[in-house]
Amino acid sequence: GAGVSQTPSNKVTEKGKYVELRCDPISGHTALYWYRQSLGQGPEFLIYFQGTGAADDSGLPNDRFFAVRPEGSVSTLKIQRTERGDSAVYLCASSLDSSSNSPLHFGNGTRLTVT
Amino acid sequence: RKEVEQDPGPFNVPEGATVAFNCTYSNSASQSFFWYRQDCRKEPKLLMSVYSSGNEDGRFTAQLNRASQYISLLIRDSKLSDSATYLCVVNRDSSASKIIFGSGTRLSIRP
Repeated sequence: GAGVSQTPSNKVTEKGKYVELRCDPISGHTALYWYRQSLGQGPEFLIYFQGTGAADDSGLPNDRFFAVRPEGSVSTLKIQRTERGDSAVYLCASSLDSSSNSPLHFGNGTRLTVT
Repeated sequence: RKEVEQDPGPFNVPEGATVAFNCTYSNSASQSFFWYRQDCRKEPKLLMSVYSSGNEDGRFTAQLNRASQYISLLIRDSKLSDSATYLCVVNRDSSASKIIFGSGTRLSIRP
């Protein structure tokens, strides 16, 4: 079946602009995660949804970052007033449920470049 | 100190060699453990879960030492296709939300 889909695959924006990154999880997966990965680093946790609600947003770096999942499926990560330091690969992952042994399935990521 | 620490490598070994990576974690309440593999410019993919009793999947063996808070991955008879970054992953509580990744260990297998 289809995997996790992220769009766009690449996004170049100017400093100060607003961007939206989209994630379409595997059908039936209730848990959805956003991570950010910089070169040479592992994925850094941003936010986790169980269904429609953000169960844990402790990884969001500041209030410029916000994410929604209004119908419990597709999620959008929104970044306001982008800064050059926001440049990274933004990875979305979904898992069947929130049990600790449920593996994560990642999308291909969105490579964000802020100029 | 990072919550999950790995030797970044790179490990450069000949084809057919055995190679081992370690990973340490700081939170003793951590519940479950995994190794993920990430190819260059690709997304991470689950390689294997790590169970308390140790587990094996073909050429790959994973072990967990809760007392010392470390996890290991052993690759036997390494193949060129094993070249990748190996990410140590820890779920540090009973819900799935606190899934923390290490920075990864780079492995390069040479012919």
